[in-house]
Amino acid sequence: KQEVTQIPAALSVPEGENLVLNCSFTDSAIYNLQWFRQDPGKGLTSLLLIQSSQREQTSGRLNASLDKSSGRSTLYIAASQPGDSATYLCAVRPLRYGGSQGNLIFGKGTKLSVKP
Amino acid sequence: DADVTQTPRNRITKTGKRIMLECSQTKGHDRMYWYRQDPGLGLQLIYYSFDVKDINKGEISDGYSVSRQAQAKFSLSLESAIPNQTALYFCATSDPQGAEETQYFGPGTRLLVL
Repeated sequence: KQEVTQIPAALSVPEGENLVLNCSFTDSAIYNLQWFRQDPGKGLTSLLLIQSSQREQTSGRLNASLDKSSGRSTLYIAASQPGDSATYLCAVRPLRYGGSQGNLIFGKGTKLSVKP
Repeated sequence: DADVTQTPRNRITKTGKRIMLECSQTKGHDRMYWYRQDPGLGLQLIYYSFDVKDINKGEISDGYSVSRQAQAKFSLSLESAIPNQTALYFCATSDPQGAEETQYFGPGTRLLVL
């Protein structure tokens, strides 16, 4: 059974710092991996999606990497800002049935607080 | 306007009551999902639907039922609510035609069962 783990559960950093959030998964047979952001009272927003054949994806100050063989992904946030404060969730899409099922398996998230 | 909407946003109900949570989307996506999130936990899949005639159970479907009334509407029902169904419920959609098939989430419904 696929399990997704995120470390740390919570992180507090001063504004301007670069930081890394970690995600690990137990079964390397994945179709893709997504990073989401969740703000209180709001739904999830997709940040980056990495296909299983890719090594990394970048969007602005965000960079996500994927090492499928070791079951690890990292989300790198450069020059953090108070507006980055949120919970970040990692999710994998299992490869079974060729990934056609579409459902995601989520980690518990990392709650990030960026202090001004 | 939001692409994925959920009603109600908040609901308090009593044990044994039947309640329905509704989800509507304007994205034109065939695939829709219901998840629940408990404090400190990740999202767990309850049910998913790949089109109006295709509904499938997820990881934690016991105690829940769904109805796909149209491509744009997917409802989740709790036939007889119990306190451990207190959680945050999310609806999501995706487009299987897209190579990446990103899921788009609604704002969530916060449910409290007393």
